[in-house]
Amino acid sequence: NAGVTQTPKFRVLKTGQSMTLLCAQDMNHEYMYWYRQDPGMGLRLIHYSVGEGTTAKGEVPDGYNVSRLKKQNFLLGLESAAPSQTSVYFCASSRFGLAGISYEQYFGPGTRLTVT
Amino acid sequence: AQTVTQSQPEMSVQEAETVTLSCTYDTSESDYYLFWYKQPPSRQMILVIRQEAYKQQNATENRFSVNFQKAAKSFSLKISDSQLGDAAMYFCAYRSGRVTDKLIFGTGTRLQVFP
Repeated sequence: NAGVTQTPKFRVLKTGQSMTLLCAQDMNHEYMYWYRQDPGMGLRLIHYSVGEGTTAKGEVPDGYNVSRLKKQNFLLGLESAAPSQTSVYFCASSRFGLAGISYEQYFGPGTRLTVT
Repeated sequence: AQTVTQSQPEMSVQEAETVTLSCTYDTSESDYYLFWYKQPPSRQMILVIRQEAYKQQNATENRFSVNFQKAAKSFSLKISDSQLGDAAMYFCAYRSGRVTDKLIFGTGTRLQVFP
């Protein structure tokens, strides 16, 4: 199993450009998440999905869009990149957690994005 | 809203010694879960240990153990017999007991291990 993979690993964008980050998991997990990690701020949730075709906003959703057309993929889009979106982006996935049961979130290796 | 606070930006320990990383959290919920994640220089997030709030017994995983004080909302990580490979960023995280399963992270503690 590859677990959670992210494409690309590094990217440099100019202000105003658009791009899509791809997250793929091969563990048949229902839940998927996108986080961003900034120095001194830990990881913050951008968007998440509890199943194919569903998405929801997290803590810092502005400037991002997501789609979950297939259960194994979760895409994060930046329509018009800004320098404030320079960050490391992590994707994660987990099994469906019934109340009282918590399953581990498995993280991808991260994507370092620089917006100039 | 729930918050997670790690008040130690950096810690250091001698190899083979013991170190404790602090974490406090704020919540009004009674059902929740707490985690410690390790992030080495490779950036990969690795789950170290987890604690269910309804369990009174502190979780342990080999050299890693927690001191969970529910009333004080404190969740510290103790690393015994520290090894050079333990050097990393450590993040404390909170998850609500509700189904949505979102993690709320602290700002992290950078642990250095000296030979």
